[in-house]
Amino acid sequence: AQSVTQLDSHVSVSEGTPVLLRCNYSSSYSPSLFWYVQHPNKGLQLLLKYTSAATLVKGINGFEAEFKKSETSFHLTKPSAHMSDAAEYFCVVRGGGGSNYKLTFGKGTLLTVNP
Amino acid sequence: DTEVTQTPKHLVMGMTNKKSLKCEQHMGHRAMYWYKQKAKKPPELMFVYSYEKLSINESVPSRFSPECPNSSLLNLHLHALQPEDSALYLCASSQEPVDLFYSGAQETQYFGPGTRLLVL
Repeated sequence: AQSVTQLDSHVSVSEGTPVLLRCNYSSSYSPSLFWYVQHPNKGLQLLLKYTSAATLVKGINGFEAEFKKSETSFHLTKPSAHMSDAAEYFCVVRGGGGSNYKLTFGKGTLLTVNP
Repeated sequence: DTEVTQTPKHLVMGMTNKKSLKCEQHMGHRAMYWYKQKAKKPPELMFVYSYEKLSINESVPSRFSPECPNSSLLNLHLHALQPEDSALYLCASSQEPVDLFYSGAQETQYFGPGTRLLVL
């Protein structure tokens, strides 16, 4: 069965400092993993996805994530936070509940960026 | 272009009203989805359409009625809703039709901005 656990419900950083949002996954086969961002009162925007071609995945807006099979992790990072990065971030695995078509969402991590 | 559009952006309706939400994509995607998202929660899947046919209904109450008139358009008809149905309703699409049995698919779902619904 597929599942994801976002280890932090809230992360607070200062502008210009690095961002680390942690996600662990559980999968019975090679997973499809995604990070989505949701700004206040907006829909979900795809940041990046793991396609098994490369373990280090680069996304939009300077974000990247590294797939580590040995640690079952897919943490999202950014070297330097901007105020505009303040949003809710969801780690997502495809599949779950016995259905490969489903997206199984983590509970989300709220990122706040302080000036 | 990975744009999914949704109208209206906001909707207020009474419990006896009938209203519809609309979702459109022009990316040639053959699968479309409706999700419901309550405040501070992740989205929950409601319906999946594949090749304009309803593939999945996640045990959604009949007061929600989806419709897919063509490959670009997805509607959600609302009737006799309850206040607890107030939420953000998100539409998404993906390129390939949903394969219920292929576990290796890595299809990306692209989401619209959502319709924020308030039921009074």
